Amino acid sequence: GAGVSQSPSNKVTEKGKDVELRCDPISGHTALYWYRQSLGQGLEFLIYFQGNSAPDKSGLPSDRFSAERTGGSVSTLTIQRTQQEDSAVYLCASSLSGAPAGNTIYFGEGSWLTVV
Amino acid sequence: GDSVTQMEGPVTLSEEAFLTINCTYTATGYPSLFWYVQYPGEGLQLLLKATKADDKGSNKGFEATYRKETTSFHLEKGSVQVSDSAVYFCALSSGGGADGLTFGKGTHLIIQP
Repeated sequence: GAGVSQSPSNKVTEKGKDVELRCDPISGHTALYWYRQSLGQGLEFLIYFQGNSAPDKSGLPSDRFSAERTGGSVSTLTIQRTQQEDSAVYLCASSLSGAPAGNTIYFGEGSWLTVV
Repeated sequence: GDSVTQMEGPVTLSEEAFLTINCTYTATGYPSLFWYVQYPGEGLQLLLKATKADDKGSNKGFEATYRKETTSFHLEKGSVQVSDSAVYFCALSSGGGADGLTFGKGTHLIIQP
């Protein structure tokens, strides 16, 4: 597609429920990132995929968070047993390669998650 | 580890005023530096970037110069418009891919007519 596409754009869920957030990166981009943007906290790195390599999960805040990327393209971020502190905007981004020093990282519009 | 510090907002200016948003960084090696902008209700967009010392990134009237000696990448615009109201994020990348970008906390800019 023309840009990074994320869905849903807005999600309200009850505490304790599981949620799935989807990201469709720009066609041909091998690197995919998930970030979390919380009010007043800036952007927090969550997880990084590069091609078919094992993902870097070092930013995931707890074992309730997981992500997968099927076929080197679409990615799903799953949050199990959601808590109110999970409320945030979840941003997906992609770039041409895993060395973004020279390559621009492009962001989707985000999935706004509210846990009530 | 890498870090980015930018001035906290909100920053409120009148239209046609001169803008400076300060950004300093700490990083290993020679990072690339970026400014991203987030307009209300929209995703992050790359505004400009610089990949080596003394480079100047520019776009839409905004400029920022990569200053290695002061580890800074301040964003400037000579005459702001109401449409520039947004949140501006300074970011760096040390390369290697795994961490992607390290962001500052963002500066909310409000331009009043």
